[in-house]
Amino acid sequence: GESVGLHLPTLSVQEGDNSIINCAYSNSASDYFIWYKQESGKGPQFIIDIRSNMDKRQGQRVTVLLNKTVKHLSLQIAATQPGDSAVYFCAEEGFQKLVFGTGTRLLVSP
Amino acid sequence: EAGVVQSPRYKIIEKKQPVAFWCNPISGHNTLYWYRQNLGQGPELLIRYENEEAVDDSQLPKDRFSAERLKGVDSTLKIQPAELGDSAVYLCASRWAPTSEQYFGPGTRLTVT
Repeated sequence: GESVGLHLPTLSVQEGDNSIINCAYSNSASDYFIWYKQESGKGPQFIIDIRSNMDKRQGQRVTVLLNKTVKHLSLQIAATQPGDSAVYFCAEEGFQKLVFGTGTRLLVSP
Repeated sequence: EAGVVQSPRYKIIEKKQPVAFWCNPISGHNTLYWYRQNLGQGPELLIRYENEEAVDDSQLPKDRFSAERLKGVDSTLKIQPAELGDSAVYLCASRWAPTSEQYFGPGTRLTVT
């Protein structure tokens, strides 16, 4: 079946470093991908999205890269801050249905 | 603007008891979703509404779960009877049809003992 997975369950970085969170997806027909941030006790919060006709999209301190050849998605966070500590999920959407991956916990130490 | 509102935030019940969750979506959002999120996992869709119509309930365990959105605004999700494996966070999300972004509520953490 369709699945969206993450390579690393936990990523620890120092404050100020750049963070890279990776995600693999299996449905080559997916055309829309989203990164969500989830803090403890809260619902997922939209960070950035990208459509399959693009390979890179930038936001404020965040960049999403899409490699359709190897079905790989990554989230880059520049100058990581303690407030970035959370669980990050990638998700793919088809027919208005989101399929989430397991999540990567980002730990930012001062 | 208020976000998606859910209540209660926490619920502890004994197995075989009924439980209900309530969701008030963002005003004007015609699409409403219920998700279940197990510990350490991503949310999984249970049901999607377009206005008052359930257009995707293929993942809803219909023997014990039910949902309604009678006036196309608020929604309730019910479990009867609850089982130990139902312990999870139940998330509600809403979306304004012309856009793709779903907005999530804080969720209801259910513990079945």
